[in-house]
Amino acid sequence: EIVLTQSPATLSLSPGERATLSCRASQSISSNLAWYRQKPGQAPRLLIYDASNRATGIPARFSGSGSGTDFTLTISSLEPEDFAVYYCQQRSNWPGTFGQGTRLEIK
Amino acid sequence: EVQLVQSGAEVIKPGESLKISCKGSGYSFTTYWIGWVRQMPGKGLEWMGIIYPGDSDTRYSPSFQGQVTISADKSISTVYLQWSSLKASDTAMYYCARARVPAAGSFFNYWGQGTLVTVSS
Repeated sequence: EIVLTQSPATLSLSPGERATLSCRASQSISSNLAWYRQKPGQAPRLLIYDASNRATGIPARFSGSGSGTDFTLTISSLEPEDFAVYYCQQRSNWPGTFGQGTRLEIK
Repeated sequence: EVQLVQSGAEVIKPGESLKISCKGSGYSFTTYWIGWVRQMPGKGLEWMGIIYPGDSDTRYSPSFQGQVTISADKSISTVYLQWSSLKASDTAMYYCARARVPAAGSFFNYWGQGTLVTVSS
């Protein structure tokens, strides 16, 4: 089973700042990675799929990059609704494992 | 509009059985895989398994194989997650989610609202 390790566990930033979240896979997963945002009390929402493609309705401030084992989610300018937990997920190997999450909190 | 509507919260005693549901609408129900994801209190997301409602082809994560059963009734556009004997450690929020494209390995771009299952004596 592929293990995804997200860092940092918690990121403290202010609105308007740039956020950089990382996800590292235990083996190469090509570009088979997605990012989700989960706000408190809500279901996750798909942000990025196949490493760098924004899902429908996702604003341009969200971008994804990487391939192989190292991936990055960048939020160019944080909005209040972006303070939430972010998960990466791979679909390269069965089952489609998730990372443990990065909590983005207001500084 | 694509929607997945899950059944309501449950409080169940240890050892009891349970079946929760997820009803899809707004799309061709038999074309897209639907998965189940567990989230234990204060924890992350765990991929449990998926089903193709068109022919009920089902695949489980090794961690959940034998622990739960996923099924579908395409006549009423509904998928199910069931347990035969619940444990306290099954207490969690359970989400159903639809694949983004008609492929087993697709990411999930539509999610249900979640069903909270509480197992307590």
